[in-house]
Amino acid sequence: ETGVTQTPRHLVMGMTNKKSLKCEQHLGHNAMYWYKQSAKKPLELMFVYSLEERVENNSVPSRFSPECPNSSHLFLHLHTLQPEDSALYLCASSQSAVSGWDRGQETQYFGPGTRLLVL
Amino acid sequence: AQSVTQLGSHVSVSEGALVLLRCNYSSSVPPYLFWYVQYPNQGLQLLLKYTTGATLVKGINGFEAEFKKSETSFHLTKPSAHMSDAAEYFCAVRPRTGGGNKLTFGTGTQLKVEL
Repeated sequence: ETGVTQTPRHLVMGMTNKKSLKCEQHLGHNAMYWYKQSAKKPLELMFVYSLEERVENNSVPSRFSPECPNSSHLFLHLHTLQPEDSALYLCASSQSAVSGWDRGQETQYFGPGTRLLVL
Repeated sequence: AQSVTQLGSHVSVSEGALVLLRCNYSSSVPPYLFWYVQYPNQGLQLLLKYTTGATLVKGINGFEAEFKKSETSFHLTKPSAHMSDAAEYFCAVRPRTGGGNKLTFGTGTQLKVEL
């Protein structure tokens, strides 16, 4: 599946570093998502952007800062992370209605993820 | 609030045997239902989804799932397992009204296929 790409695929960072994860979708979608996948836990929705506007922020610590400069790109800026933030970070995208995105049938397509290790 | 339960975090089957992965949801109104598969070191790939209409849904790679409202279930099956089916499978739900396009995932079932 090459519709949604993520870079880097692997990242090791110290707790004082600043890094960014990048996601790009080539599907012409209008909504993009960040998920966190930790071992033995369900996928956790972190952020949702629809038409480049953040519509969901699930009580994520401020050390995670999303950015959506356009409908094709989504970033997750990381700073002063903790070891418990080590996880697989997945990006997804979906089509959404121009007049509102609450239609319910939009399938989310996922990227391959970035495996993050915080030391 | 919605929740999704996947019974069995690990399932092991022999090659050629029936695959049955269980998913139950809890919500007052039947939600939209999805199955995703995740191969090692990859993201999630949609296998199939149920939105409306026929309750038996066919997906990719020979998988199918049946929505049973009376049992609040959406179990995933495949008649004959193949080695390439070894992966982690996630059931997910999305409310039909309200809540935006937010998926709630189960904890996943790791499928192992043995010779």
